[in-house]
Amino acid sequence: ETGVTQSPTHLIKTRGQQVTLRCSSQSGHNTVSWYQQALGQGPQFIFQYYREEENGRGNFPPRFSGLQFPNYSSELNVNALELDDSALYLCASSFPGQANEKLFFGSGTQLSVL
Amino acid sequence: AQKITQTQPGMFVQEKEAVTLDCTYDTSDPSYGLFWYKQPSSGEMIFLIYQGSYDQQNATEGRYSLNFQKARKSANLVISASQLGDSAMYFCAMREAYSSASKIIFGSGTRLSIRP
Repeated sequence: ETGVTQSPTHLIKTRGQQVTLRCSSQSGHNTVSWYQQALGQGPQFIFQYYREEENGRGNFPPRFSGLQFPNYSSELNVNALELDDSALYLCASSFPGQANEKLFFGSGTQLSVL
Repeated sequence: AQKITQTQPGMFVQEKEAVTLDCTYDTSDPSYGLFWYKQPSSGEMIFLIYQGSYDQQNATEGRYSLNFQKARKSANLVISASQLGDSAMYFCAMREAYSSASKIIFGSGTRLSIRP
């Protein structure tokens, strides 16, 4: 039972718009990471937040940005949406420090850009 | 360069049979961790099993076991006595020691379908 919740579950936007996705981490987890999963592919790491600061980023442009709040919840913001941004966006929380640190994922937000 | 390779896009298996899902990986880091996740149609990624690069024994978690062959850079998932509920996408993934704690690299996945 993960306890990671994401909202909304589905979203439709048009090219050029901006979008904000939200994530509540599992209780006790202070690290949140975001992944993009295009159709038919595995998830790709976007970035990670720890103690309200970004401390790791994948190969994504600056128009992908995020926030982490004192309660460890997080937002993913995407500006100037492109058609290729259509994907399932997964949030994961964890408590770092262990070699076998598991990520606990939410069910994701399905974003469609028209 | 692709770091996780899953060569089976899809597999069909009869219920109650064992199934092996293939995974090979590539890294120059001597310290790494390997994961398997299950993704049902609901979208959530469910952790199944973990193997550390220095672990001497193959990991097991209930019906799941990981056949870890370090020299071959292989980390196959074995599911014993498959059940209808095992039908899902399965992803092999790796975390390298130098990367961000949460940065996990995923393969392209294998869609497993269990036949009754």
